[in-house]
Amino acid sequence: EAGVTQFPSHSVIEKGQTVTLRCDPISGHDNLYWYRRVMGKEIKFLLHFVKESKQDESGMPNNRFLAERTGGTYSTLKVQPAELEDSGVYFCASSQQRYWGPGQGPQVDEKLFFGSGTQLSVL
Amino acid sequence: GNSVTQMEGPVTLSEEAFLTINCTYTATGYPSLFWYVQYPGEGLQLLLKATKADDKGSNKGFEATYRKETTSFHLEKGSVQVSDSAVYFCALLPMNTGFQKLVFGTGTRLLVSP
Repeated sequence: EAGVTQFPSHSVIEKGQTVTLRCDPISGHDNLYWYRRVMGKEIKFLLHFVKESKQDESGMPNNRFLAERTGGTYSTLKVQPAELEDSGVYFCASSQQRYWGPGQGPQVDEKLFFGSGTQLSVL
Repeated sequence: GNSVTQMEGPVTLSEEAFLTINCTYTATGYPSLFWYVQYPGEGLQLLLKATKADDKGSNKGFEATYRKETTSFHLEKGSVQVSDSAVYFCALLPMNTGFQKLVFGTGTRLLVSP
């Protein structure tokens, strides 16, 4: 089974340019997350998709960041225009939404599968 | 707010040494607690977890006990191997969070020499 794949693995751009990161989750995983680790600090939540819908984007730092998940498959995260402080490692993760039965509502499989990340350097 | 504090690294040990990586947290109520590991060139992997006070999570010889009284979840291993060299992240999931909106610490790099 293929894991979560992210590309590019590394991206070096100049301040003011645009960069688009891509994440392909594990097939069949409805939940897709983006996280970011800046300058060796803690990993921080950016946003969460369930299928194609944004459930929680409270961690997006500002409106220079735009995430999409058209068709509920792969996701892109665009930074436009990039600033120096955007440098860091961007992680994508997915998990399977599991339904436990009628009336019980969806329960999320707690196990997250992470990609190896995209190292973004803004110069 | 919710936060996780980990000891700064790198932690450098010789093979077969005892390992402790400290982790303390701040959160309301009873969060779930996790240790994730990132091996070189790979994504984060769940190492172990505990979902309630006094629970012990364990995997691959690593253990951590959920201590509510000290708000801690320290990672231990009795005898480390070179292959354990990686970055270890402590994380929590706040109570009543239906999805994986994890709060991570800064990570601790472990270097094990032969």
